[in-house]
Amino acid sequence: DGGITQSPKYLFRKEGQNVTLSCEQNLNHDAMYWYRQDPGQGLRLIYYSQIVNDFQKGDIAEGYSVSREKKESFPLTVTSAQKNPTAFYLCASRADYGNTIYFGEGSWLTVV
Amino acid sequence: AQSVTQPDIHITVSEGASLELRCNYSYGATPYLFWYVQSPGQGLQLLLKYFSGDTLVQGIKGFEAEFKRSQSSFNLRKPSVHWSDAAEYFCAVGATGAGSYQLTFGKGTKLSVIP
Repeated sequence: DGGITQSPKYLFRKEGQNVTLSCEQNLNHDAMYWYRQDPGQGLRLIYYSQIVNDFQKGDIAEGYSVSREKKESFPLTVTSAQKNPTAFYLCASRADYGNTIYFGEGSWLTVV
Repeated sequence: AQSVTQPDIHITVSEGASLELRCNYSYGATPYLFWYVQSPGQGLQLLLKYFSGDTLVQGIKGFEAEFKRSQSSFNLRKPSVHWSDAAEYFCAVGATGAGSYQLTFGKGTKLSVIP
């Protein structure tokens, strides 16, 4: 089936550790996005990438890093510099010719 | 820069009643408008979208929305709510700025349905 796959669904991290959230899409979409969701805050853009080997910071990029080595993959690393990383993270993608953004099922990150 | 306001944080309706969720946007040109639905702990599912043309758009699950340029609104409606409609609903505006296309979301409206 075509879609966006995020893994893991649930992740626990100790303070001071970096963690990487995976996002893979088989929709042949060019653009990919990472959003963070907190209760009552809506969705906030962390990073986005329009093509391979290129990405841009969104509104809340501090403490996060990404890479885009392959068209289908856009992993997000939550670094120890992120002060409040516990949240729900959503990956999304969009076709180059389209204006509709589609979302994965999300990953829960909890810092313990 | 564009912005989206969803005035209602939480709405409760009885099953079978009609529903209207409000969305107001701010954008200088004709916007691309979207409604997404999110069940607890899940990703966002696209309900419907408006790009141009007929201002009344139909979506999945019996939802519709009407674009009113004069009111900068894109309200979501459903004639008869089902218990399975209980979820959080997000309105979003899509626009290109600084060479990239992005969505700006409202903060969401949580819908509860009373049996």
